Amino acid sequence: DTGVSQDPRHKITKRGQNVTFRCDPISEHNRLYWYRQTLGQGPEFLTYFQNEAQLEKSRLLSDRFSAERPKGSFSTLEIQRTEQGDSAMYLCASSLNTQYFGPGTRLTVL
Amino acid sequence: GQQLNQSPQSMFIQEGEDVSMNCTSSSIFNTWLWYKQEPGEGPVLLIALYKAGELTSNGRLTAQFGITRKDSFLNISASIPSDVGIYFCAGQPIYNAGNMLTFGGGTRLMVKP
Repeated sequence: DTGVSQDPRHKITKRGQNVTFRCDPISEHNRLYWYRQTLGQGPEFLTYFQNEAQLEKSRLLSDRFSAERPKGSFSTLEIQRTEQGDSAMYLCASSLNTQYFGPGTRLTVL
Repeated sequence: GQQLNQSPQSMFIQEGEDVSMNCTSSSIFNTWLWYKQEPGEGPVLLIALYKAGELTSNGRLTAQFGITRKDSFLNISASIPSDVGIYFCAGQPIYNAGNMLTFGGGTRLMVKP
């Protein structure tokens, strides 16, 4: 399967813990995006990379969130000191032009 | 917050019926995309539209990019049970170098066999 992959698919954590998610894009895609989706809503943009450069961050991305794409291939999204409001589906997408999404990571903060 | 108004929010139809849903925006978009999402999965691209007035089909699905560049619709003909899911429109605003997507709120489609 050469689509976008995300790991883990599900994560349950306690409030205050740190979590890290990984996204592996389609191999030739130079752009990688992170979105967050809460129940009953459409995805909302968080941040994006062109190659290894993080070019834009949404105001939704508080200082507890950090994303990296160190070699311009896979990306990680870390949330520090998780809060219950962080519970959501975290989606990764990659593109040359049109965005293709991965299956998402469902985060539940207890 | 989201800038796209998608309607209807939900539809419950009989198998074999045609379906129509649409998205409107107060801003101009240079690309419109339609995705389908099933529970626990990411959105899957159905149709991409790149030019005002463009009409594109993908099997039983047809979508159009409105000529004002502020709206788009998606039609599904002869619905079948596997069409069940949430359909999202998404657009790339015209002044958006990063091509970040703005999504509508989704249309939940339920099909009765």
